[in-house]
Amino acid sequence: ETGVTQSPTHLIKTRGQQVTLRCSSQSGHNTVSWYQQALGQGPQFIFQYYREEENGRGNFPPRFSGLQFPNYSSELNVNALELDDSALYLCASSQMGRDSTDTQYFGPGTRLTVL
Amino acid sequence: EDQVTQSPEALRLQEGESSSLNCSYTVSGLRGLFWYRQDPGKGPEFLFTLYSAGEEKEKERLKATLTKKESFLHITAPKPEDSATYLCAVQDRGGSYIPTFGRGTSLIVHP
Repeated sequence: ETGVTQSPTHLIKTRGQQVTLRCSSQSGHNTVSWYQQALGQGPQFIFQYYREEENGRGNFPPRFSGLQFPNYSSELNVNALELDDSALYLCASSQMGRDSTDTQYFGPGTRLTVL
Repeated sequence: EDQVTQSPEALRLQEGESSSLNCSYTVSGLRGLFWYRQDPGKGPEFLFTLYSAGEEKEKERLKATLTKKESFLHITAPKPEDSATYLCAVQDRGGSYIPTFGRGTSLIVHP
């Protein structure tokens, strides 16, 4: 069983640039959720994708956008980067369905630094 | 609005000194409560899912329990390798599949 993977592990960008983060879900999972985690805080929900459709969105501006592909992998795109976007970005996969536990399994994260 | 409060924020223990971490929650109806362990700069590692009051789950030195208002993570005879941040999250029965996370308890176990 393959776990959740994310790339890149670290990224440094400057204010105003755009960034794309990638996530491969655990095998057998159909749902991907993205979180932002600032230092000393719990993960904050950005959005979730289920079968290539956005299934929920947290309190983040439209410059945060995403995609899910037919193989259930996903991308998080952030436009017009701001200094406050510096954080650990986490991807979590789960299996949503009638008999699922909905337990989310996290990847190792991408550390984004905006200068 | 779902709320999750974890206490204490930080906890220092001596090796072998047992203790408990608390997770208090407010939801309209609980679908599931999750515990994760997170090492610095890493993604959270799944520990337990609890679904109903009275349920208990164990894994090595960790035991999670659940009531209608809170969950406890009991750590028995901890070792330095148990040092990490422990996160609690709740999932509302109201239809959303999105868990709400607490801020975590940072545990340091001294040898």
